[in-house]
Amino acid sequence: KNEVEQSPQNLTAQEGEFITINCSYSVGISALHWLQQHPGGGIVSLFMLSSGKKKHGRLIATINIQEKHSSLHITASHPRDSAVYICAGRKTSGSRLTFGEGTQLTVNP
Amino acid sequence: GAVVSQHPSWVICKSGTSVKIECRSLDFQATTMFWYRQFPKQSLMLMATSNEGSKATYEQGVEKDKFLINHASLTLSTLTVTSAHPEDSSFYICSARSGGTGAGETQYFGPGTRLLVL
Repeated sequence: KNEVEQSPQNLTAQEGEFITINCSYSVGISALHWLQQHPGGGIVSLFMLSSGKKKHGRLIATINIQEKHSSLHITASHPRDSAVYICAGRKTSGSRLTFGEGTQLTVNP
Repeated sequence: GAVVSQHPSWVICKSGTSVKIECRSLDFQATTMFWYRQFPKQSLMLMATSNEGSKATYEQGVEKDKFLINHASLTLSTLTVTSAHPEDSSFYICSARSGGTGAGETQYFGPGTRLLVL
């Protein structure tokens, strides 16, 4: 079992829809990153959270420590949101990240 | 947010040559830098972790003599792919983290360098 698991693998939505991407992680991970990778390859760090909820524009990330689960929500989705979204867990010991497989999001106009 | 740059953004080279990729943290001091490799439609694979002024720690299976990492200053790390071969063709991404071990330390990623070895 992977230490960080994402779902779904692929997600297609219509512009304007509310989108949720889920991430479950195992014991030993103390913080979670949400990353966005566009087709050109560059990676943008969206959020880093270890508890609670963070919001930036149309993006919201939540984490439930007890359930070891995090979600990334996109409100009023737009075609420019189309990208691969990756959750990555940072272990309590050390600084390396463990990456999920990524979710390919396609938002159609 | 903080900015990490990489240079070059893409490079094509002949088999047997060496290629150097630079990673710079532009507005913060990066005590730790990470080098990743990514194959098409796959997740990032950590190659090595480098701390400023000390030797890099390589992941299992990564040849340290093949992938030379230097982290000479708090804002610059370089990855040199020595005697490159076609199988080294990949997307190389660096990330940087400022000092501290708290949960509040975010990793910032560079835009990546696409290497094609002919």
